[in-house]
Amino acid sequence: DVKVTQSSRYLVKRTGEKVFLECVQDMDHENMFWYRQDPGLGLRLIYFSYDVKMKEKGDIPEGYSVSREKKERFSLILESASTNQTSMYLCASRSGGGETDTQYFGPGTRLTVL
Amino acid sequence: GQNIDQPTEMTATEGAIVQINCTYQTSGFNGLFWYQQHAGEAPTFLSYNVLDGLEEKGRFSSFLSRSKGYSYLLLKELQMKDSASYLCALLDSNYQLIWGAGTKLIIKP
Repeated sequence: DVKVTQSSRYLVKRTGEKVFLECVQDMDHENMFWYRQDPGLGLRLIYFSYDVKMKEKGDIPEGYSVSREKKERFSLILESASTNQTSMYLCASRSGGGETDTQYFGPGTRLTVL
Repeated sequence: GQNIDQPTEMTATEGAIVQINCTYQTSGFNGLFWYQQHAGEAPTFLSYNVLDGLEEKGRFSSFLSRSKGYSYLLLKELQMKDSASYLCALLDSNYQLIWGAGTKLIIKP
């Protein structure tokens, strides 16, 4: 079974803090994604990566950055957290073998910024 | 542009059948996914359709009509554990997923 893990299930941070969210997958997938999920808005893509050291902006990259130094690990960074970044953050991975392969999600991190 | 619409919430009775609709507008199409998401958990894959017609998988079936920009997820013999949100997602011309806001399904005894 594909396993995608995220470093924290719940996180509380203060405005202005630097926040790291880490995601690890164990299936040697090429593609990894970071989404945020807010009520009534669905999943919105923040950043994705097709390979190590490669990153692409999604639909809402402002206020975020990412790092992919190793194939299995994809980190999301909030340089200076703000209250409007309070959300559920979901990481996903997908094999690059077929464009229609399904995405496998981690359990999510519910971030609250005070 | 691209747009996906699905109802916000639906209610059904245990043992019954429910159909969750998804309509979309897109300039490029490479398939449509349905995912299930229980409260507080990650989405999990249910189905993928790229050709017109019905795909059956146990109690769940998914239908696609590309000419109408329409899909539905059919759940039969509803069980309480089917209470969840159901997410429709479109795979666009760049092979990126565009997500609907999800339909919260409430099952009553």
